Amino acid sequence: DAGVIQSPRHEVTEMGQEVTLRCKPISGHDYLFWYRQTMMRGLELLIYFNNNVPIDDSGMPEDRFSAKMPNASFSTLKIQPSEPRDSAVYFCASSLQTLSNYGYTFGSGTRLTVV
Amino acid sequence: AQTVTQSQPEMSVQEAETVTLSCTYDTSESNYYLFWYKQPPSRQMILVIRQEAYKQQNATENRFSVNFQKAAKSFSLKISDSQLGDTAMYFCAFMKLYGTSYGKLTFGQGTILTVHP
Repeated sequence: DAGVIQSPRHEVTEMGQEVTLRCKPISGHDYLFWYRQTMMRGLELLIYFNNNVPIDDSGMPEDRFSAKMPNASFSTLKIQPSEPRDSAVYFCASSLQTLSNYGYTFGSGTRLTVV
Repeated sequence: AQTVTQSQPEMSVQEAETVTLSCTYDTSESNYYLFWYKQPPSRQMILVIRQEAYKQQNATENRFSVNFQKAAKSFSLKISDSQLGDTAMYFCAFMKLYGTSYGKLTFGQGTILTVHP
């Protein structure tokens, strides 16, 4: 298995532009999570899905952020319009939540820089 | 809400020695999981070890072991025979098993561990 695949690995964009981050979870995993990592706030959960349905989006900072999971093998996190304070590393993770297997597999992250 | 606290922002250790990273957490839950994740400079988040709260026996994975004190809400990580490749940021994390936010990981602030040759 190739693991959780995120793209792009790095993204530099200008303030005001739309940014789309992509994630392919591990096949068969039924949970998908988006986390953001910053120096100030550490790792924080933005949103997660179960069987493609958003379960908890209380961590999404504001309406500029949106996430979709159109099918079991793909998810996007979109920021429109982007702002410099959105600069961070964004991680996608997937999990198969069974009693015998708790724990996530993380992607390599997307480092977003908004200038 | 759960909180996870790592009180050591940075630690250092000599190669081949043993080091212990501290973690405390606060929760009213009785069933949960605890994890240690490693984040090397490559930024990949790597699961090091996990502990089920209902198990009294401390988890071990090769050179990594935990000291889980449920009553004290303490979950420390011991790394034996430290290697240069252990240099990384280490995160302690808590996961609820039931109810709202099921499956959500709450992370501590992280401890930067440097292993010196």
